[in-house]
Amino acid sequence: SQTIHQWPATLVQPVGSPLSLECTVEGTSNPNLYWYRQAAGRGLQLLFYSVGIGQISSEVPQNLSASRPQDRQFILSSKKLLLSDSGFYLCAWNKGISSPLHFGNGTRLTVT
Amino acid sequence: AQSVTQPDIHITVSEGASLELRCNYSYGATPYLFWYVQSPGQGLQLLLKYFSGDTLVQGIKGFEAEFKRSQSSFNLRKPSVHWSDAAEYFCAVGAGNQGGKLIFGQGTELSVKP
Repeated sequence: SQTIHQWPATLVQPVGSPLSLECTVEGTSNPNLYWYRQAAGRGLQLLFYSVGIGQISSEVPQNLSASRPQDRQFILSSKKLLLSDSGFYLCAWNKGISSPLHFGNGTRLTVT
Repeated sequence: AQSVTQPDIHITVSEGASLELRCNYSYGATPYLFWYVQSPGQGLQLLLKYFSGDTLVQGIKGFEAEFKRSQSSFNLRKPSVHWSDAAEYFCAVGAGNQGGKLIFGQGTELSVKP
């Protein structure tokens, strides 16, 4: 069966520090991968998605970047965190529009 | 570009009462529509989806939703709410020509009174 792992579960980082959140999927190949951010009262905002290794699409301009170094690995990064980067980050995968979107358990990021 | 609006930020219903959560979408072609549920501090779980065919779709946990093209709506319903249904509910829309990405609404938080 397929599983998605996302870590860490919680993270507290000072402003200006770097960020690396990792997400891996098991039990499938060539998934579509997504990073969403959830802020209170603002729903889920799609940040990045990837349909293959090295292919990244950015949905909104921001302080973050994403990379996909391996087929089932998706990384969210920042060189210098801002206070506004605080939020709940969710990684997800599917095999296309007709398959369900499977979510990880999320990372709660607090930038202080 | 597609978009989703969930007009109700927070709804409170009594246990055993019926429930309807509203969702309106904006998309030029036939959309792919979804409802997801999120328990506190967790990821999201798919409740149901609509791609084509019968406009009334059944999902898990006794939920159903009806696609109304004329109203650009995909409202979620449940005839009798249980205390365990308290959670946040998200409507989402996808486009067939944009891979598998989904655009989500702002969410509706459901509270259930005993």
